[in-house]
Amino acid sequence: KAGVTQTPRYLIKTRGQQVTLSCSPISGHRSVSWYQQTPGQGLQFLFEYFSETQRNKGNFPGRFSGRQFSNSRSEMNVSTLELGDSALYLCASSLRGLSQETQYFGPGTRLLVL
Amino acid sequence: GNSVTQMEGPVTLSEEAFLTINCTYTATGYPSLFWYVQYPGEGLQLLLKATKADDKGSNKGFEATYRKETTSFHLEKGSVQVSDSAVYFCALSITGYSTLTFGKGTMLLVSP
Repeated sequence: KAGVTQTPRYLIKTRGQQVTLSCSPISGHRSVSWYQQTPGQGLQFLFEYFSETQRNKGNFPGRFSGRQFSNSRSEMNVSTLELGDSALYLCASSLRGLSQETQYFGPGTRLLVL
Repeated sequence: GNSVTQMEGPVTLSEEAFLTINCTYTATGYPSLFWYVQYPGEGLQLLLKATKADDKGSNKGFEATYRKETTSFHLEKGSVQVSDSAVYFCALSITGYSTLTFGKGTMLLVSP
């Protein structure tokens, strides 16, 4: 079974631009979560989608948004990029998004904002 | 709120040494507990998990026991290898939510 895939793997943007990151979950998985990883703040939850609905959201500004498609693929968008948005963005998928389920992570998209 | 505290690293060991990485948590309700590992340049991989008190998770020689009395989930391995060098994250999720709350991570460096 193919794992979680994320595209692109690396991205360089400038302040004020917007960016869209993509995540394809493991086949059959309907829950997709996004996390931001930075050296200072560590791993922080952004949002979770299940069956095209956002079920849970972390404490991030409205510039961060996401969506999920009927095939469970997910995208996240960051508008008006700031230098502090430079981070590794990780996507994780699980079957139904239950608390005891294992979440499988992709390799991440490394975003650098200049 | 929910939180995870794990020992700061780096932890530096010689090959075949005993490893302990401490993890304690604060949570509402009864969380599921996880250890994830991150190798350089990669995403996170599940190492082991425990979903109820007194459960022991184990994988690849690593073990951790869910201790509700001490709200802890310490990671142990009897004999580490150079290939175990990585960053280890303790995490929890609470009933009804898949959201993971992570500790800050502990870097492990194993020398031959």
